[in-house]
Amino acid sequence: EPEVTQTPSHQVTQMGQEVILRCVPISNHLYFYWYRQILGQKVEFLVSFYNNEISEKSEIFDDQFSVERPDGSNFTLKIRSTKLEDSAMYFCASSFNTGEAFFGQGTRLTVV
Amino acid sequence: QKEVEQNSGPLSVPEGAIASLNCTYSDRGSQSFFWYRQYSGKSPELIMSIYSNGDKEDGRFTAQLNKASQYVSLLIRDSQPSDSATYLCAGGGPTGTASKLTFGTGTRLQVTL
Repeated sequence: EPEVTQTPSHQVTQMGQEVILRCVPISNHLYFYWYRQILGQKVEFLVSFYNNEISEKSEIFDDQFSVERPDGSNFTLKIRSTKLEDSAMYFCASSFNTGEAFFGQGTRLTVV
Repeated sequence: QKEVEQNSGPLSVPEGAIASLNCTYSDRGSQSFFWYRQYSGKSPELIMSIYSNGDKEDGRFTAQLNKASQYVSLLIRDSQPSDSATYLCAGGGPTGTASKLTFGTGTRLQVTL
């Protein structure tokens, strides 16, 4: 069964460093998303991406964040200068043309 | 502020019983609703979607939507210990469109032997 895959599963980084989280969405899906979940809190929307551009972003998604689809399969989230409060699980999701979004297994980002 | 509200639980039900999970939403622009299951430390797993008023059944799961009351529910029949997880309610955009999901905090379900 097709699935969204994310790498790495766990990333530890020092405050101020750049990180890139990678995702391979389901192959025939058209919409791609990043969500995050801080430990013990709700899943929060960060950004959606369609037709090679951002379609919507939340107020969390500030200038420190960027997304890219560098080729036909990968979808990346870059955090330019990580802060302690960026520590969270980051989930990539994809959907076809409905709202049914399928999530990857997540990347646990720990900023020290 | 668009909100999706859920009772955090835990909701404890004996094995074989019906578990009833509820969710309310504030944004009348939300037209599509989803239930996700999330095991501890894992990612959300889509189990049901519902777009129209009424009931939608899939196996042991029934989703119910009442747009007038801004209320969504999920019934799990014949609850199994493997159903023990956090159930997330999420609201989306217009039916047939892909848009961001607004999640509730989730209800933790415990199915006891």
